[in-house]
Amino acid sequence: AQSVTQPDIHITVSEGASLELRCNYSYGATPYLFWYVQSPGQGLQLLLKYFSGDTLVQGIKGFEAEFKRSQSSFNLRKPSVHWSDAAEYFCAVDQFEGRGSTLGRLYFGRGTQLTVWP
Amino acid sequence: EAQVTQNPRYLITVTGKKLTVTCSQNMNHEYMSWYRQDPGLGLRQIYYSMNVEVTDKGDVPEGYKVSRKEKRNFPLILESPSPNQTSLYFCASRGPSTDTQYFGPGTRLTVL
Repeated sequence: AQSVTQPDIHITVSEGASLELRCNYSYGATPYLFWYVQSPGQGLQLLLKYFSGDTLVQGIKGFEAEFKRSQSSFNLRKPSVHWSDAAEYFCAVDQFEGRGSTLGRLYFGRGTQLTVWP
Repeated sequence: EAQVTQNPRYLITVTGKKLTVTCSQNMNHEYMSWYRQDPGLGLRQIYYSMNVEVTDKGDVPEGYKVSRKEKRNFPLILESPSPNQTSLYFCASRGPSTDTQYFGPGTRLTVL
């Protein structure tokens, strides 16, 4: 089974500061990797995803993430945080083995709660 | 508009009273899933379905049932709810040619 680790339960940054949220996964092959954001009382919104190719992927709201195979990591970054970025962030892994297998099974980390100081 | 809908959005019930949370998608997706979200645990998969009449257990299936009689619908059934099933539930769908799961808005369930 897959596992996804988000080591930081809660992070606090000042508005305008840079941000990095960590995510590590365990899987033998290259998985599909996702970051989702959940604002208070809201559902899940996809920020970005990685399947293959360029290891630095750009997402919405100015976020980017870098896949590092050697470290089994997929860390989320943003150069300048806005107060509206305060939310909970989830890293997720999809174990893709082709059509008809476990396609559709997402394994989520426990989330990182981001607080932004004005 | 492509979407996944869930009903009800909020539900308060009592122990042992059977309930069903409906999930419907309008994207003709084959794959559908149910997740529950609990503080500090992230989202955990309850059941998933790869197509009509094909379902399988996820990581936390105990106390839940599902059915997939039509492609668009994937209801979650709690035959005898207990307080430990108080949670936020998300339905999701995904087609074979897409690479992303679409999530419903969530159903907040409280079992007293």
